[in-house]
Amino acid sequence: QKEVEQDPGPLSVPEGAIVSLNCTYSNSAFQYFMWYRQYSRKGPELLMYTYSSGNKEDGRFTAQVDKSSKYISLFIRDSQPSDSATYLCAMGDSGYALNFGKGTSLLVTP
Amino acid sequence: DVKVTQSSRYLVKRTGEKVFLECVQDMDHENMFWYRQDPGLGLRLIYFSYDVKMKEKGDIPEGYSVSREKKERFSLILESASTNQTSMYLCASSPRGTTAYSEQFFGPGTRLTVL
Repeated sequence: QKEVEQDPGPLSVPEGAIVSLNCTYSNSAFQYFMWYRQYSRKGPELLMYTYSSGNKEDGRFTAQVDKSSKYISLFIRDSQPSDSATYLCAMGDSGYALNFGKGTSLLVTP
Repeated sequence: DVKVTQSSRYLVKRTGEKVFLECVQDMDHENMFWYRQDPGLGLRLIYFSYDVKMKEKGDIPEGYSVSREKKERFSLILESASTNQTSMYLCASSPRGTTAYSEQFFGPGTRLTVL
């Protein structure tokens, strides 16, 4: 079983919808949780970072971590066509390397 | 602004060729990483380096080697390219920092095709 599971989609929503993206994981040692956004033909860029459990909000984006369920989520409110991208969850323990999900492809249609 | 640059955006090579992919970062980061990204498989770590001349194998090191002679430069080498190494290659760097977590900054990627 891969350590990080993420539904690849694609997910298509109308502009203005609330988007929910999720990942599950199996390694209880993970304590750093990130969401990266990757536009077509570009490298990933960090969108949100959360340490341990809890919520974090940044504008239209909210990241949630539930360590007891080994489940993390990214919510996008009032989604825009410019949010169309692939979203990668990533997580790590005390080491150097991150464990990435496969990415969910999101399309927001006008 | 952190910048990670990769030597080529697109590369076409023949089976058996030796291939060099170069990555340079300008933020004095200690850690550098090489990933490959394939549809349905996501990002997979090939090698990483936490200091000059230091390297650690990632999840899929077979068929690859790396070189880090200078802090800002991390090279990925395909000793004898094969068709199953056709992929998008992404380089990343991160500062070591005082905590275990460090954001990774990615380059734009090199799309390698091996014929």
